[in-house]
Amino acid sequence: DVKVTQSSRYLVKRTGEKVFLECVQDMDHENMFWYRQDPGLGLRLIYFSYDVKMKEKGDIPEGYSVSREKKERFSLILESASTNQTSMYLCASSSPGTGLYNEQFFGPGTRLTVL
Amino acid sequence: DAKTTQPPSMDCAEGRAANLPCNHSTISGNEYVYWYRQIHSQGPQYIIHGLKNNETNEMASLIITEDRKSSTLILPHATLRDTAVYYCIVAQGGSEKLVFGKGTKLTVNP
Repeated sequence: DVKVTQSSRYLVKRTGEKVFLECVQDMDHENMFWYRQDPGLGLRLIYFSYDVKMKEKGDIPEGYSVSREKKERFSLILESASTNQTSMYLCASSSPGTGLYNEQFFGPGTRLTVL
Repeated sequence: DAKTTQPPSMDCAEGRAANLPCNHSTISGNEYVYWYRQIHSQGPQYIIHGLKNNETNEMASLIITEDRKSSTLILPHATLRDTAVYYCIVAQGGSEKLVFGKGTKLTVNP
């Protein structure tokens, strides 16, 4: 079975802390994505990566950075967490080898609370 | 910004067909219509996609109008487990990026 896992389901951090959210996929996918989801705003793309060490900004990259040192792992970093980064964070992966199919596989999400 | 417009919520009786509409009047010729759903406390899940022709798989059917400006996702026999938020997305085939709008919250009632 296809699998995308995220390091934590729930996380509580304090303002100013450095936060790492980890995502691992076991499907050998080239593309990986980080979204955040907030009530009334839907899913918004933060960053994505189409290859190891490659990254592209999504729609709301401010306050975030990412790291992709290995193909299966994509990390989202909050350098100095703020309360407005309290949200559900979702990781996804896909393979361009599927051509037009374009299916993204999502992890279960990490609910981050910044106090 | 999402290129699609969906009603914010819909209700359906269990066992009946659920028909979820989506408007995408600015869709271009090389763009596909994709449908995902998100069950509470889970990540979104792919359902189906199409370009021009109607499509059917084990989960749903997708009906796209001839002018491609709108489409309908059909769940033929809705169950309580189909209660979810359904997202209609327009994107180029093979595009890495999908823009999720706010979707339609479908509630299937017993």
